[in-house]
Amino acid sequence: AQKITQTQPGMFVQEKEAVTLDCTYDTSDPSYGLFWYKQPSSGEMIFLIYQGSYDQQNATEGRYSLNFQKARKSANLVISASQLGDSAMYFCAMREEYGNKLVFGAGTILRVKS
Amino acid sequence: EAGVAQSPRYKIIEKRQSVAFWCNPISGHATLYWYQQILGQGPKLLIQFQNNGVVDDSQLPKDRFSAERLKGVDSTLKIQPAKLEDSAVYLCASSSRTSGRTGTDTQYFGPGTRLTVL
Repeated sequence: AQKITQTQPGMFVQEKEAVTLDCTYDTSDPSYGLFWYKQPSSGEMIFLIYQGSYDQQNATEGRYSLNFQKARKSANLVISASQLGDSAMYFCAMREEYGNKLVFGAGTILRVKS
Repeated sequence: EAGVAQSPRYKIIEKRQSVAFWCNPISGHATLYWYQQILGQGPKLLIQFQNNGVVDDSQLPKDRFSAERLKGVDSTLKIQPAKLEDSAVYLCASSSRTSGRTGTDTQYFGPGTRLTVL
């Protein structure tokens, strides 16, 4: 069964610094996709970045990058040059190749300090 | 391009009452999802539609929850009767996936409906 683990309930980071949010996963399917979403206090889930299990390079989207270590089954999100607007809940999620469900972790609350 | 629309944004009801939520997906998206997000947890899939057919409703409490997607566009999620533990945010999402491999199929979420059951 799919499982996502986010071990950091909350994180603080100084504005303009980089921060890494941890995510580990478990699946028996060799083909899967990993996603990160941001959920501000307004409640909407905002898609940030995607990594496929067979992708050779780590995904990047602007200030977001995904540190994908397949052997360790980890998919950490790196946010560079943090901004106050990055303060939100961040969720890691996974879906197996032919699966229906997008399984989410419990989330990490990020607070950016000025 | 307009995003996923949901209404109402907030709803407060008493237990044993009924409530309905509405979702309009992104235009052209064949697949529609309803998630339940309890405070402090990640979203949990309740039901998935592809066009107007149900693909997965294995985690939908069918004794009290129902959902439909008439004409393969808008969808309604209903709870009847509501329980205290149904207090949560109900998120609707859509994707362009039609079948087969997930690939880079990304789900886009609406703003959610925050339900409080008293």
